[in-house]
Amino acid sequence: SAVISQKPSRDICQRGTSLTIQCQVDSQVTMMFWYRQQPGQSLTLIATANQGSEATYESGFVIDKFPISRPNLTFSTLTVSNMSPEDSSIYLCSVDREPDTQYFGPGTRLTVL
Amino acid sequence: KNQVEQSPQSLIILEGKNCTLQCNYTVSPFSNLRWYKQDTGRGPVSLTIMTFSENTKSNGRYTATLDADTKQSSLHITASQLSDSASYICVVSAHYDYKLSFGAGTTVTVRA
Repeated sequence: SAVISQKPSRDICQRGTSLTIQCQVDSQVTMMFWYRQQPGQSLTLIATANQGSEATYESGFVIDKFPISRPNLTFSTLTVSNMSPEDSSIYLCSVDREPDTQYFGPGTRLTVL
Repeated sequence: KNQVEQSPQSLIILEGKNCTLQCNYTVSPFSNLRWYKQDTGRGPVSLTIMTFSENTKSNGRYTATLDADTKQSSLHITASQLSDSASYICVVSAHYDYKLSFGAGTTVTVRA
């Protein structure tokens, strides 16, 4: 298994501002993933972050809105930019520690007013 | 298209009773199937994982079954407790693909 922490655990933000979410893993991993879970919905993959390369975004998500950093093999950040109420969600990071297996962080609950 | 469907969408049970959740999938080529428990406002936590050759896996009061021929899985909760109140998500992996296929989840509410 993997120990994953996220900061902040929750935040309430004003429309038009940006929030950066941090994800820390207890050991080196190749692939890190960022998900969004809107209220009452299941998880949707935003992007995949590999160290040393640009993040790969899924359809419907763009780098200008969700810039991602992956400075090393244990850390990544996701920024939610120019927020609107529609961005209110739980944001989760996960890691691919074993083949075909992902472990999830505790999530960041974001509310945009 | 890889899909995962769960039923029921939600259910309410009395403390101490049993319940069974269903998951049907069309993911191919199949690698493994996981059941996750997600408490409100928290990240999903893995309960069980099964590969093609496994047809049952237990984790305490949680027992998962897998029928790879019919592409169906179930999660059985025995002697439910109030702490079992959560969303249970069926997640299926395909070989050679890091992307996961998520079910919409079943929300279980256990009442005293």
